[in-house]
Amino acid sequence: TQLLEQSPQFLSIQEGENLTVYCNSSSVFSSLQWYRQEPGEGPVLLVTVVTGGEVKKLKRLTFQFGDARKDSSLHITAAQPGDTGLYLCAGTEAAGNKLTFGGGTRVLVKP
Amino acid sequence: DAGITQSPRHKVTETGTPVTLRCHQTENHRYMYWYRQDPGHGLRLIHYSYGVKDTDKGEVSDGYSVSRSKTEDFLLTLESATSSQTSVYFCAHRGVGAGEAFFGQGTRLTVV
Repeated sequence: TQLLEQSPQFLSIQEGENLTVYCNSSSVFSSLQWYRQEPGEGPVLLVTVVTGGEVKKLKRLTFQFGDARKDSSLHITAAQPGDTGLYLCAGTEAAGNKLTFGGGTRVLVKP
Repeated sequence: DAGITQSPRHKVTETGTPVTLRCHQTENHRYMYWYRQDPGHGLRLIHYSYGVKDTDKGEVSDGYSVSRSKTEDFLLTLESATSSQTSVYFCAHRGVGAGEAFFGQGTRLTVV
């Protein structure tokens, strides 16, 4: 069992549809990050959230950190084929400096 | 350029042989991490370092050791490679606080 559970594991949608990816844990995190990874590359940071209840927007992407700092969500509005990729959440626990990743959500946006 | 490079990028080795992967950073960041990535598992933390000669285990550390004798280099060693260690290995570095982790391009290791 991973510390960070992502759901769903795979999403296939049509261009223009919305999607939401969830990242859940029983642990409290001092910060939580979302990364996107392309094939053959390392993950690249999309956003960092640090305050419970925080909402951040990055163009069509909206990120939310749960009030208790145990969970987060990523919402994409009007998805485009360029949004296709592996989305990973990662957290740093309040007591340490480990950076732990979830299992990832593979998103496929079909034109 | 994230200021981090991994070597080698690809390696095929035989079961039972020792293997060392190298991670080199140019940003003087304190924290460095080694992960492995397998289908369906995202990135799993093997070991991490919070300073020179300061390392700690991650969630999948069995069969792996690390060393950090200089800030810029973090080595991952498989003492006796097994087929279950066939994977893509990623190194990352990060500054203090909630900063972004920057990743290398990965090492694809195949143990036959």
